[in-house]
Amino acid sequence: GQNIDQPTEMTATEGAIVQINCTYQTSGFNGLFWYQQHAAEAPTFLSYNVLDGLEEKGRFSSFLSRSKGYSYLLLKELQMKDSASYLCAVNRAGTYKYIFGTGTRLKVLA
Amino acid sequence: DADVTQTPRNRITKTGKRIMLECSQTKGHDRMYWYRQDPGLGLRLIYYSFDVKDINKGEISDGYSVSRQAQAKFSLSLESAIPNQTALYFCATSPGRETQYFGPGTRLLVL
Repeated sequence: GQNIDQPTEMTATEGAIVQINCTYQTSGFNGLFWYQQHAAEAPTFLSYNVLDGLEEKGRFSSFLSRSKGYSYLLLKELQMKDSASYLCAVNRAGTYKYIFGTGTRLKVLA
Repeated sequence: DADVTQTPRNRITKTGKRIMLECSQTKGHDRMYWYRQDPGLGLRLIYYSFDVKDINKGEISDGYSVSRQAQAKFSLSLESAIPNQTALYFCATSPGRETQYFGPGTRLLVL
């Protein structure tokens, strides 16, 4: 089967660091993605990990451990505009299909 | 101009009506997808297409049909709309497996 789990909601303070976790079980794996989605808007691509390790891109970093079926998205120096939902998604090996988690709603407080 | 567009952006219809949602892209991607998003359920794949002659069902295709009129156009139809098809619908395109680009979404309400 296939399943992606991530926390439903998180709260953090402006200027702080927050880590959003994602665990997955899938029959075949070919990459993990993080998307940001502001309320009722289109998801926008943040990161793609296919090998183990940390990928850094400005204030955002994403980590993958394939053996543990685990990823996290790290957001540094939080800003109010980072208040959004963060979607974890997995690409199944041998396909171009993407399985999405239900998303983590992040609230950044002043 | 937006690379992936969807029309209409909002639609209210009645149970039993047939409606069509349209998606167009200028990115030149072969792969196109239709998803629906419901609160608490995340994005779920309805149909996907890898080229004009290749159409595939996703995880929730019942009650929906699609048409790939050209590389740039992928339409989703609800043959006989029902209230539980009320959702936010997204079209997406992809150049490969590295990422997807989403349209702005269509908010559909079935009464």
